[in-house]
Amino acid sequence: NAGVTQTPKFRVLKTGQSMTLLCAQDMNHEYMYWYRQDPGMGLRLIHYSVGEGTTAKGEVPDGYNVSRLKKQNFLLGLESAAPSQTSVYFCASRNLNRDRGLTDTQYFGPGTRLTVL
Amino acid sequence: LAKTTQPISMDSYEGQEVNITCSHNNIATNDYITWYQQFPSQGPRFIIQGYKTKVTNEVASLFIPADRKSSTLSLPRVSLSDTAVYYCLVGSTYSGNTPLVFGKGTRLSVIA
Repeated sequence: NAGVTQTPKFRVLKTGQSMTLLCAQDMNHEYMYWYRQDPGMGLRLIHYSVGEGTTAKGEVPDGYNVSRLKKQNFLLGLESAAPSQTSVYFCASRNLNRDRGLTDTQYFGPGTRLTVL
Repeated sequence: LAKTTQPISMDSYEGQEVNITCSHNNIATNDYITWYQQFPSQGPRFIIQGYKTKVTNEVASLFIPADRKSSTLSLPRVSLSDTAVYYCLVGSTYSGNTPLVFGKGTRLSVIA
């Protein structure tokens, strides 16, 4: 059980280049999220998914696209990278227990450190 | 979504008990309170969750008063390894399509 994994761990892009970040989870969770975290800041939600084939915008969706073709994978794409997108990107999945007494928890990946020059 | 307010930073000496309070004045009936911990260069990890009164696990205790408008995370006898950012979140599984929101958290620095 690997939990949540992210690839790549590090990436350097030039302005205008594109790339895709992959998030995979093996816990059969319905909900998946992409966050970005800038130095000294909290996490800001980019996009999220409430199930296979669904996506929704978060707080800061501009410049990013996502896809959830398979339940276990959530992809984050940058079509034309900009220096303002230099950040650490975290993916998370969530188990949603609707019974009181069980824990509703988000599990995070190790992050992808992206630099856009 | 219930908004949360917590101190930006706190300092503590090793071996002391640390209490971090979070305000959530507009918490809804179905909302529960969850705390996460984030070490540098890592993703946040779950610490504790509660709905009312007191919850305790091997890592921390969570105190929630009867009106549930605030909550306090208590870390007993902190060590240097407890230096991290702590996030308080409020949300409900009954509105699961609404994602939980992470604020800026409380940066705890433990001093030797």
